[in-house]
Amino acid sequence: ETGVTQTPRHLVMGMTNKKSLKCEQHLGHNAMYWYKQSAKKPLELMFVYNFKEQTENNSVPSRFSPECPNSSHLFLHLHTLQPEDSALYLCASSQGPGTGTYEQYFGPGTRLTVT
Amino acid sequence: SQQGEEDPQALSIQEGENATMNCSYKTSINNLQWYRQNSGRGLVHLILIRSNEREKHSGRLRVTLDTSKKSSSLLITASRAADTASYFCATDGLSNQGGKLIFGQGTELSVKP
Repeated sequence: ETGVTQTPRHLVMGMTNKKSLKCEQHLGHNAMYWYKQSAKKPLELMFVYNFKEQTENNSVPSRFSPECPNSSHLFLHLHTLQPEDSALYLCASSQGPGTGTYEQYFGPGTRLTVT
Repeated sequence: SQQGEEDPQALSIQEGENATMNCSYKTSINNLQWYRQNSGRGLVHLILIRSNEREKHSGRLRVTLDTSKKSSSLLITASRAADTASYFCATDGLSNQGGKLIFGQGTELSVKP
């Protein structure tokens, strides 16, 4: 148990569906991250939020829309996805910039399958 | 540019043996971190080594860092079947703000009982 939870753990959706992934951290951290992990590929950083502000968008297609209402919650809204978007989506948090401590704490991930 | 390329991609050993994984990176860093991932789960932070450190220990883990060669190694001593997992290095580059990490492709370690 890392203090970062993700729901749902598994999601199957059609290409025309709209769904959302949720991440919550109970660690008092100020930075949150979304990663995509596909088979045989390194973790791909998607978005970074520091103090609720988006500080990184790693050229992610607009069919992925993040939302960070506060430092403890992070969402990833999904719409009109493609089969190649099927992957494990991981959320992480860390203390944030200026703390000198950058180890990240990961949630268990959401296994997404797009049909 | 991609940071953190691990070598080997896969490693299979017997319980009790030592496992060594290597990581190379391309640009200057603040620190380098190692993470472990059990199949289909989230990553767990193992150890962080700062750019001014050369070696660090944590239990059965030993990490070295050679900034002149831009490389790091993770040694797991007296391995156990429970150490079976994927291991990733991740670099926090000097130009980063906000603690962004770049992960390598990982080494899949299999420890046979």
